[in-house]
Amino acid sequence: AQSVTQPDIHITVSEGASLELRCNYSYGATPYLFWYVQSPGQGLQLLLKYFSGDTLVQGIKGFEAEFKRSQSSFNLRKPSVHWSDAAEYFCAVGRTGFQKLVFGTGTRLLVSP
Amino acid sequence: NAGVTQTPKFQVLKTGQSMTLQCAQDMNHEYMSWYRQDPGMGLRLIHYSVGAGITDQGEVPNGYNVSRSTTEDFPLRLLSAAPSQTSVYFCASSRPIGQTNTEAFFGQGTRLTVV
Repeated sequence: AQSVTQPDIHITVSEGASLELRCNYSYGATPYLFWYVQSPGQGLQLLLKYFSGDTLVQGIKGFEAEFKRSQSSFNLRKPSVHWSDAAEYFCAVGRTGFQKLVFGTGTRLLVSP
Repeated sequence: NAGVTQTPKFQVLKTGQSMTLQCAQDMNHEYMSWYRQDPGMGLRLIHYSVGAGITDQGEVPNGYNVSRSTTEDFPLRLLSAAPSQTSVYFCASSRPIGQTNTEAFFGQGTRLTVV
């Protein structure tokens, strides 16, 4: 069965500092990989997705993620965090597409001034 | 386009009551899914559909029914509400991967409390 691990429940980053959120997945083949962001009381917004090809993918809001097959990881990065990035971030995998996503438990990002 | 619309936004039920959470999308997406979100557990798939008339179970289907009579609508029915079904429910729609600019669009959620 597929599974996704986000080891960090909370992360606090100073505004302007760099950010890396960790995601590890368990799956027999290369799955489709996604990062979503959820602001309080809101739905989920797709930040970026990986299907195949270049292992470094660019997303919206200045985010990027790197797929590393050898480590079964898909970590999310941003070079300079803004206060508006404070939210909860979810990594997700899909075997056949978007209709059957498996989500990690999420990482809540706090941004300090 | 309204995207994915969920109603109601909030609901309080008594144990044993039944209700239907509505989900509608206006993007002509083939795929629709229901997830529940609980603290510390992320989102878990309840049921999904790959087209009108076709539904299947996800990870946590017990206590929920779905049907897909039209492309646009995918209601989620709670047959006999239990406190364990207190959660935030999200509906999502998408096209199959491989089509242009495909992604899953999520509704704003329905916060359900069962007392």
